[in-house]
Amino acid sequence: DAKTTQPTSMDCAEGRAANLPCNHSTISGNEYVYWYRQIHSQGPQYIIHGLKNNETNEMASLIITEDRKSSTLILPHATLRDTAVYYCIVRLFYNTDKLIFGTGTRLQVFP
Amino acid sequence: DTAVSQTPKYLVTQMGNDKSIKCEQNLGHDTMYWYKQDSKKFLKIMFSYNNKELIINETVPNRFSPKSPDKAHLNLHINSLELGDSAVYFCASSQDLGGSPTDTQYFGPGTRLTVL
Repeated sequence: DAKTTQPTSMDCAEGRAANLPCNHSTISGNEYVYWYRQIHSQGPQYIIHGLKNNETNEMASLIITEDRKSSTLILPHATLRDTAVYYCIVRLFYNTDKLIFGTGTRLQVFP
Repeated sequence: DTAVSQTPKYLVTQMGNDKSIKCEQNLGHDTMYWYKQDSKKFLKIMFSYNNKELIINETVPNRFSPKSPDKAHLNLHINSLELGDSAVYFCASSQDLGGSPTDTQYFGPGTRLTVL
């Protein structure tokens, strides 16, 4: 089972920041937080990951709380093409590697 | 160039038939995966292969048999198709067995299987 909980859906106006929350209260010390997204009918796409520090790349920023029990994915300037299902995944990066997807958050960006 | 490709994109077949889905990656990765996304959009791992060796088999029925002829290919053969096999099947690859946090998985475009 997925170790994360996310809101089912969110809306965001185009050009505004989209903040997608994720709870992972049972995360252990050596587990990373990963974010993937799935645009309609396409394969999941990696966005970003982090352990305990905030991370930023060309796609998004990841803010992880100090106790690591929750995190927020930030899309700074959402576009219509960011409309997708966003998955927050807790991953143990060594040993057998498998991504356990939850239900994700369906983000709808509107004009 | 497409990193992870799958064929066919759509597959419609009758119950009881046998069918195969092919996957190829040109990323030079050692590990490949099959995931299934059902009608409720749950995405779940089925198999993983590392260097042509089966690593993960997530209690998938024996009717499903993955085959990895080489590191760049992982095919999925399904015998005696059932209605419940209708789903989108995604292939993915990663450099290794998650040996590094930066070892992310790259997914193919999916194969939509419909069993009538």
